Amino acid sequence: SQQGEEDPQALSIQEGENATMNCSYKTSINNLQWYRQNSGRGLVHLILIRSNEREKHSGRLRVTLDTSKKSSSLLITASRAADTASYFCATPWGRFGAGTRLTVKP
Amino acid sequence: DTGVSQDPRHKITKRGQNVTFRCDPISEHNRLYWYRQTLGQGPEFLTYFQNEAQLEKSRLLSDRFSAERPKGSFSTLEIQRTEQGDSAMYLCASSSGPWRDPNTGELFFGEGSRLTVL
Repeated sequence: SQQGEEDPQALSIQEGENATMNCSYKTSINNLQWYRQNSGRGLVHLILIRSNEREKHSGRLRVTLDTSKKSSSLLITASRAADTASYFCATPWGRFGAGTRLTVKP
Repeated sequence: DTGVSQDPRHKITKRGQNVTFRCDPISEHNRLYWYRQTLGQGPEFLTYFQNEAQLEKSRLLSDRFSAERPKGSFSTLEIQRTEQGDSAMYLCASSSGPWRDPNTGELFFGEGSRLTVL
C-alpha cells in the first residue's frame, strides 16, 4: 500500500495541551507531508519532511520522521481551539490515510 | 484569487443522471489531481494529470468515471449513471513537478464539490 495510516483516529484535548498524531507507512519514501482539513473544507499543506531529515519545526508544529520504523509524528504544542481539524499524512504519491480528528476544547 | 477553484460547490442529482465537475488549478501548476472523500475518511486518490496527459488512474475508478484535462489547464471529472454510493466530496488539487516524477510536491487543494445522489 502506498498510503499512510494515522493514529489515533480521534483525539480530544484541552486548550493549551500538546497533541501528538502518528503516521505509519509501508513503502520506502523520500518525503512525507502533513495536511490539515477543517470541517467541510479543502486540505491545507502544513509541512513536508524529507527522508534525510529526522525532525522539522514550523511554528507550533514539530514533525519527526523515522525511516527505519516507517513512521512519522506530528506534534502540535500549546493547542488552541482553532487547531480543531482533521490531520492527514500523505506519501510522496499523494496517498492519504483516514486521518486523526483532533478536537481542542476551550 | 489565484487558488484552486472548483465548480459547482454543491450538486444534488437523481440516481442515473450524469454529473460533471470542473477544476481550475493554479495557473503555473502542471499537475492536477482528483480525489474523492467520504465522511470520516481521508481523500481517496482517483487520478492525476501531468499537463494534458493522464498518467495514473485508480483501479478503484469504475468505467462510469472519466476525467479530462484537454489543454493542460482546467480539468473536468464526469460521473455517468450516478449511484447513491457516488455521494461524496470530490476534491481537486494541483502542484508543480518534473515530468513523470511520482512525487506530488506540495498539493494545493480546492474547496471541493459535494455530490449528493438521491
